[in-house]
Amino acid sequence: AQSVTQLDSHVSVSEGTPVLLRCNYSSSYSPSLFWYVQHPNKGLQLLLKYTSAATLVKGINGFEAEFKKSETSFHLTKPSAHMSDAAEYFCVVSASYNNNDMRFGAGTRLTVKP
Amino acid sequence: DSGVTQTPKHLITATGQRVTLRCSPRSGDLSVYWYQQSLDQGLQFLIQYYNGEERAKGNILERFSAQQFPDLHSELNLSSLELGDSALYFCASSVADTQYFGPGTRLTVL
Repeated sequence: AQSVTQLDSHVSVSEGTPVLLRCNYSSSYSPSLFWYVQHPNKGLQLLLKYTSAATLVKGINGFEAEFKKSETSFHLTKPSAHMSDAAEYFCVVSASYNNNDMRFGAGTRLTVKP
Repeated sequence: DSGVTQTPKHLITATGQRVTLRCSPRSGDLSVYWYQQSLDQGLQFLIQYYNGEERAKGNILERFSAQQFPDLHSELNLSSLELGDSALYFCASSVADTQYFGPGTRLTVL
């Protein structure tokens, strides 16, 4: 069984400052991990994914995430926030052999202040 | 644009009615997934089809059903609608371990 916990329901940053969205996971199997972004009234867009290759994963729009097995974490970061980054972010875990069973975190709402 | 299309974009109906939501997966993707997103429940997996066959079931109510056709498009049927069924319904299609989501159908039950 697997699960994912997003540690912050809401994060607020100023434009130009770093972004950190935290995610811890639990998985009985070698996990695949994903971050998706959802802008208001839009579908979920894949930002990046980890599937047991490099532990530092680079995604779109300057985002990256680091898989840390010892900490069971997969935090999402960006060096400098842009106004257009304001959205809901979802951390997702699945057993790498079975992508039927994707478990979504509750989401973190990112607000970017001018 | 993920390549997954959903129609209609918005749907407003009354309690007790039945509606059908449609999803076309990305070209070549055999799997289609349906999700419900509401404010109180978050994003919930409903059901998955793979090449026309039901593959996995999540928190899908008995009033809801789905199917996947030979051309791989899928329909989600919601019947005896209740106020609490108001939500965003997403479909996703996948290749390997990555799911790509459509823009969603917003269902409002009055």
